[in-house]
Amino acid sequence: ETGVTQSPTHLIKTRGQQVTLRCSSQSGHNTVSWYQQALGQGPQFIFQYYREEENGRGNFPPRFSGLQFPNYSSELNVNALELDDSALYLCASRSDRRSYEQYFGPGTRLTVT
Amino acid sequence: DAKTTQPTSMDCAEGRAANLPCNHSTISGNEYVYWYRQIHSQGPQYIIHGLKNNETNEMASLIITEDRKSSTLILPHATLRDTAVYYCIVPNRDDKIIFGKGTRLHILP
Repeated sequence: ETGVTQSPTHLIKTRGQQVTLRCSSQSGHNTVSWYQQALGQGPQFIFQYYREEENGRGNFPPRFSGLQFPNYSSELNVNALELDDSALYLCASRSDRRSYEQYFGPGTRLTVT
Repeated sequence: DAKTTQPTSMDCAEGRAANLPCNHSTISGNEYVYWYRQIHSQGPQYIIHGLKNNETNEMASLIITEDRKSSTLILPHATLRDTAVYYCIVPNRDDKIIFGKGTRLHILP
């Protein structure tokens, strides 16, 4: 059984740029959630995708957007990057939106300068 | 928003049982309690969940009070590798899993 993978591991961007982060969910998992974790804080829920549709969103502006593909892999896109977007971005998958056993990837560390 | 409250931090001696409390006084009858932990620089890891009966797996035990307003995660023989932030979560009815601040557990040698 393949675990959740994310790419890239680290990324440095400049303020105002756009970034795409990728997540490959665990085999058979149709629900993917994205979290932002600033240093010293708990993970903050960004949004969730279930069977290719957004299925819940946290308190993040529209410049945070996402996609889920037919194979249930997912992307997180952030436009007009701000310095405060610097964080660890975590992807988590689960077998169904009614199951709360989530499996997390190792995260992507984004630094905005 | 998180529906649980946990102590900010706790210490436990290596080899002893670590007992991590969580208050979830507004929990409703069909809502589960989930526990995750996050070791430094890693993604969170699922530990255990329960509804009203006590649960045990290879990682931990979960004790839920009869009124379901609180629970305790027990690591029976804590090791240095159990040093982490432990999150107690009651998922929202809209299926979102929201993390609070958790408890920072320090295992002391």
